[in-house]
Amino acid sequence: EAGVAQSPRYKIIEKRQSVAFWCNPISGHATLYWYQQILGQGPKLLIQFQNNGVVDDSQLPKDRFSAERLKGVDSTLKIQPAKLEDSAVYLCASALIGTSGILNTGELFFGEGSRLTVL
Amino acid sequence: GDSVTQMEGPVTLSEEAFLTINCTYTATGYPSLFWYVQYPGEGLQLLLKATKADDKGSNKGFEATYRKETTSFHLEKGSVQVSDSAVYFCALLSDGRGIGSTLGRLYFGRGTQLTVWP
Repeated sequence: EAGVAQSPRYKIIEKRQSVAFWCNPISGHATLYWYQQILGQGPKLLIQFQNNGVVDDSQLPKDRFSAERLKGVDSTLKIQPAKLEDSAVYLCASALIGTSGILNTGELFFGEGSRLTVL
Repeated sequence: GDSVTQMEGPVTLSEEAFLTINCTYTATGYPSLFWYVQYPGEGLQLLLKATKADDKGSNKGFEATYRKETTSFHLEKGSVQVSDSAVYFCALLSDGRGIGSTLGRLYFGRGTQLTVWP
C-alpha cells in the first residue's frame, strides 16, 4: 500500500517569496492533517480536514498560510509571503476513518515531510 | 485545552540499558495516547498506543501504560539497542469533549532524542 506522498522534499526560498506544498494521502483516507515541525519542537497542527471540509484551522496563520483539499483527496498548503520563522518541516498525515471513529483506531500515517528553509 | 508534557532530552544510553521517557498529559475528556517515533531521515511512525485507562500499549519491546490517576503514559524498554536511536514523541488524540478541544486532533510533546551507544 502506498504511503502518504509529499512534495517537494526540500525547498529554499527568500523571505517574502511564496511556496506551495502538495500532499497525496493514502487512498480512501478521509481525514488529512498539515503539521508544522520547527527544529527541536514537536509537530504543531496547522489544519485538519475531514474529506474536503475544514475541521480545525485555529492554529493556521491565515494572514499568510492557506490550505485546500478541493476534491477531498490531495491537498495543497501555501505560504505567501514567507517569513524567516516559517523555516520548518511541513508534515502531512492522513487517517482512514472520520473523526467520529478515529479514537478507536488512532493511527495517523505521516509523509516524510517537506523541509522549508527561508533565507 | 488538551496538552502533552514530555521529558526533555537528549537521552544517551549504552546498549542493553533500561529506558524510561516520561510523558504526562492534560485533558478534560477521555483521550487516546500514543508514542510516535522518528528515525533519522524518516517520517513519523506509530510505535504504540492505548485508547483507555489502564491499557498497556506495546511494540518492539517498548511498553507504555495509560495511567489516568497520574495522567501519565511513560515509555519504557528493558534493554535498548543501537537501532532504537531516534526521536520519540508522546501524543494525545483528543475526544473533543473538553472546552476548546477538537475531536481527532493530535497534540504532540516536544520530542526526546534517544542515542544508544554500542
